[in-house]
Amino acid sequence: GAGVSQSPSNKVTEKGKDVELRCDPISGHTALYWYRQSLGQGLEFLIYFQGNSAPDKSGLPSDRFSAERTGGSVSTLTIQRTQQEDSAVYLCASSLGVTGGGSYEQYFGPGTRLTVT
Amino acid sequence: AQSVAQPEDQVNVAEGNPLTVKCTYSVSGNPYLFWYVQYPNRGLQFLLKYITGDNLVKGSYGFEAEFNKSQTSFHLKKPSALVSDSALYFCAVGQAGTALIFGKGTTLSVSS
Repeated sequence: GAGVSQSPSNKVTEKGKDVELRCDPISGHTALYWYRQSLGQGLEFLIYFQGNSAPDKSGLPSDRFSAERTGGSVSTLTIQRTQQEDSAVYLCASSLGVTGGGSYEQYFGPGTRLTVT
Repeated sequence: AQSVAQPEDQVNVAEGNPLTVKCTYSVSGNPYLFWYVQYPNRGLQFLLKYITGDNLVKGSYGFEAEFNKSQTSFHLKKPSALVSDSALYFCAVGQAGTALIFGKGTTLSVSS
């Protein structure tokens, strides 16, 4: 497809369960980002990947959160032992690169709405 | 550390009137500045950006923004608001080699 895709679009899980969220970036985009959007909290940066460099994990809220990017393309965000405060919309974005101004804008996917009961 | 502030949670304007959505930032070097818009139940869409050069940048849907280095601001403007402009607007700041930091968003409501 032409845009960033995410799956599932909605996920309801019980507290304590693990969840995996998937992101397919735009083909050719070397940078991939994960954000969390909570009501009234704006967009919270979680992690980003740039090519083969070590990811910037500085935004991950706890060690229950982790992410991988396989083959420089698809990424999976994993939340272990989910808590109710993890409920939010998780957004993925990709861009042509992190450095360089002309190709820096990020293109966002539709998000995964996670509800922890 | 870089940060961005959107001081207004909500902006209300009448259709046809000019609109301004405010954004201020804090970075240690040269900033990259962006505006995104989020319509209900839809993803974020890129509106415009400032990287370098002319302080006034023009973007999609008739929006523009002015980079003011002395005031560390990047306010979003439109000369004549439309009801269809009603949405959630995010300002973001970044630098070379970093991810973008987003503000908390401002809800724009345009009344007919």
